[in-house]
Amino acid sequence: GAVVSQHPSWVICKSGTSVKIECRSLDFQATTMFWYRQFPKQSLMLMATSNEGSKATYEQGVEKDKFLINHASLTLSTLTVTSAHPEDSSFYICSAATYGTRTEQFFGPGTRLTVL
Amino acid sequence: AQKVTQAQTEISVVEKEDVTLDCVYETRDTTYYLFWYKQPPSGELVFLIRRNSFDEQNEISGRYSWNFQKSTSSFNFTITASQVVDSAVYFCALGLSGTASKLTFGTGTRLQVTL
Repeated sequence: GAVVSQHPSWVICKSGTSVKIECRSLDFQATTMFWYRQFPKQSLMLMATSNEGSKATYEQGVEKDKFLINHASLTLSTLTVTSAHPEDSSFYICSAATYGTRTEQFFGPGTRLTVL
Repeated sequence: AQKVTQAQTEISVVEKEDVTLDCVYETRDTTYYLFWYKQPPSGELVFLIRRNSFDEQNEISGRYSWNFQKSTSSFNFTITASQVVDSAVYFCALGLSGTASKLTFGTGTRLQVTL
C-alpha cells in the first residue's frame, strides 16, 4: 500500500508557541488530505479537509485561525497549531487520498502533541 | 447526518476465545462505505477492511470475519481464536463520498486479550 508519513512523530512545546506538523504522501499524489484529532481514549474527530491549491474546509467547531492548514503541493500538507495551549494536547492524524484508477485513502502514523 | 455507534467500550477475553465487535451506523445516503481499523498502542491506524453499501457479502480473512447487514445497519467484526496480539482499540467508520472520503468514526472498542 501507499505510504503516508508525519513529522514529527511527537512534540512537546510550551504554552503560547506554535507547532507545525507535516503530512507527506511518499509514493503517490494526494489531491485531498484530511486532518483528524484524537484525545486520549477517545475517537478520531475530523478537523478539516484540505485540497491541494485551495483553502481548507474546517468542520464545525474547529477554529481555522488556530489550526492553520496549508496544502501547497500534491504530496505535502501542513497543520500549524498556533498559540498552543494545554487543551490542544492530542494525537493528530492525517490521511491522504488518491483518486483515479485506484481511489483510496491512507493514514499517517500520527503526531502526539503535548503542550506544557 | 451520519453516525457510527460502537456500544461496547471495552471487551476482555481469554486467548482462543471468539469475540464479536458490534458496529451500527446511521446514514440517509444509499451509497456509502464502511471500514474497520485497528489501533494498537503505538497509535497508528491499521486498515482491516472496506465494504461498500452494495456489497452485502460477508467476508473472511484468516481469523477475521465481517457480517454486513443493511437491514439492521450493522457491520460487525468477529475475531476467531483471539490472540494476545489482537489487543488494541478497534474503530468502525463510515464514509459517504467514496473510498477516499472523510470518515465518521465510532467511539471504538478496546479489546484486551489475556493468556
